[in-house]
Amino acid sequence: DTAVSQTPKYLVTQMGNDKSIKCEQNLGHDTMYWYKQDSKKFLKIMFSYNNKELIINETVPNRFSPKSPDKAHLNLHINSLELGDSAVYFCASSHSAGTAEAFFGQGTRLTVV
Amino acid sequence: SQKIEQNSEALNIQEGKTATLTCNYTNYSPAYLQWYRQDPGRGPVFLLLIRENEKEKRKERLKVTFDTTLKQSLFHITASQPADSATYLCAPRAYNTDKLIFGTGTRLQVFP
Repeated sequence: DTAVSQTPKYLVTQMGNDKSIKCEQNLGHDTMYWYKQDSKKFLKIMFSYNNKELIINETVPNRFSPKSPDKAHLNLHINSLELGDSAVYFCASSHSAGTAEAFFGQGTRLTVV
Repeated sequence: SQKIEQNSEALNIQEGKTATLTCNYTNYSPAYLQWYRQDPGRGPVFLLLIRENEKEKRKERLKVTFDTTLKQSLFHITASQPADSATYLCAPRAYNTDKLIFGTGTRLQVFP
């Protein structure tokens, strides 16, 4: 069983479209994250949720809207896609207490054309 | 603002040698520091962590040091193998925080 799974793995879409990426974790963690990894490979935090509540929003454009229906799921919806949104998006989860390690999904490669 | 810097250039070493990767942080007081490995096309995978009151931590061929005065962690891989080739990321953290921020990552290439 995959611990953190995200779908789809690849997403190619045109500028201006709206798309969603889904993430689910079966580890019982209470914190989930979204990261963006650009072509320079820098892994930048976008959002952090704890028990379905938004904790961190790292100055992400409001075209990006995360939604957490329950603590095992954190989906990312992106409106009006732009060329600069092309990147690999990673979902991750961890416990919030102590020295918790994070577990990552396999990533979603988004290409905006 | 908080900054976490790692060697930006790739580190190329010969098989059998020791690889040493550096993580420097500023405007930060982490309680512990985690190291992750990322292979191409995959998400990062946790390797080990070191707490602020620990000077050194070992796990098999891996060794991590943590100097809170220098605000630096060193990550060593001894007897390196081509299979160790990957990008290595550091993540200094406070306890009980929902914020997990990574350094810029260092790509390691081990040649046979």
